[in-house]
Amino acid sequence: GQQVMQIPQYQHVQEGEDFTTYCNSSTTLSNIQWYKQRPGGHPVFLIQLVKSGEVKKQKRLTFQFGEAKKNSSLHITATQTTDVGTYFCAVQAYSGAGSYQLTFGKGTKLSVIP
Amino acid sequence: DTAVSQTPKYLVTQMGNDKSIKCEQNLGHDTMYWYKQDSKKFLKIMFSYNNKELIINETVPNRFSPKSPDKAHLNLHINSLELGDSAVYFCASSHLQTQSPSSNYGYTFGSGTRLTVV
Repeated sequence: GQQVMQIPQYQHVQEGEDFTTYCNSSTTLSNIQWYKQRPGGHPVFLIQLVKSGEVKKQKRLTFQFGEAKKNSSLHITATQTTDVGTYFCAVQAYSGAGSYQLTFGKGTKLSVIP
Repeated sequence: DTAVSQTPKYLVTQMGNDKSIKCEQNLGHDTMYWYKQDSKKFLKIMFSYNNKELIINETVPNRFSPKSPDKAHLNLHINSLELGDSAVYFCASSHLQTQSPSSNYGYTFGSGTRLTVV
């Protein structure tokens, strides 16, 4: 099935520094989604990217989809302690019988040092 | 007004027991899922189910069985629990995912059930 590699696995930053996590695929993706999971919490949908080269912003978060639709990134400007958590990318994978399932990357765990 | 609710939140049980986790969604979604998250935070799909098809991930042991009494519920039943089943189990729901990516939407997850097998 469809797989994505997500890096880095962990990232420790000083509050106020920027943070970026990357997802890479060996095959062309139809779309990619991003989720955030706070410590002890559940994954929460952030955004979906569909178009080649697409860039979307949510306040301090910037999401990009590569021109070849094989990679994506999530960039956080000036991190805050509220940004702490694990960020996952996720892609649709065909699971048979006309159905699609979401396959998640392994996530990047962000720690912010105040 | 919880969108996807799971019960129980915590479950501690002995090896060999049978247990169930319940999941309900009030979003009107037509597809529900079960995911397993291990200690390394890897999220793995176990099942997806809509009113027509049950898709089972081939790595899931047949001790795990989803049961859906109606579109709003997808319960997870586990037989003969093993130590390796200890994990957090998340239920999720969405509109039917299709081949048209622009019409797909994000999943809504429940708060999770932390299962500990001792």
